[in-house]
Amino acid sequence: GEDVEQSLFLSVREGDSSVINCTYTDSSSTYLYWYKQEPGAGLQLLTYIFSNMDMKQDQRLTVLLNKKDKHLSLRIADTQTGDSAIYFCAESSNTGGFKTIFGAGTRLFVKA
Amino acid sequence: DAGVIQSPRHEVTEMGQEVTLRCKPISGHDYLFWYRQTMMRGLELLIYFNNNVPIDDSGMPEDRFSAKMPNASFSTLKIQPSEPRDSAVYFCASSLVTAGDEQFFGPGTRLTVL
Repeated sequence: GEDVEQSLFLSVREGDSSVINCTYTDSSSTYLYWYKQEPGAGLQLLTYIFSNMDMKQDQRLTVLLNKKDKHLSLRIADTQTGDSAIYFCAESSNTGGFKTIFGAGTRLFVKA
Repeated sequence: DAGVIQSPRHEVTEMGQEVTLRCKPISGHDYLFWYRQTMMRGLELLIYFNNNVPIDDSGMPEDRFSAKMPNASFSTLKIQPSEPRDSAVYFCASSLVTAGDEQFFGPGTRLTVL
């Protein structure tokens, strides 16, 4: 079945850029999402990209999509301690009815 | 809207007891999802509903788990009997029109089974 994979941990220094990577298997993905989970809270949508786009920028966030390699990345510029959280990659497609598949989440540690 | 509401926020119970988790989705959302999150297994989709009808329950781990959605504004996830390995954070989420739309998550219920 469809799968979404991402590395489990990333550690960066405050002020540096963070890049979180994700790969997925479903070639018919329609939307690709990044969700953020802060400690003790549920997931919250951070940003998303349509599958016909290569890049999306939103303030400090840049999403890059390589559809050929089924690779998605999230870049956070000028990472702050408040960015410490778990970041989930997710993809949805209309294969057999719309469904969203989440990755395992990447835990981002930001060192002051 | 207050967002997705879950209760209780924390539940501590003893092995063998019945546990019921509750969820109120965002009004007007057609889809409701139940997830379980653990350090070992990450985020797992247990079941989801469309217009109160269960669509996919393939993620429900065992017959001890059951979920209902008697109306558009309420859903329950029941574990009977509970076991220590059921300890996890359980999330409810809802989405507007399709299962591929943005999902709005509740704050979760942290379940500890002793």
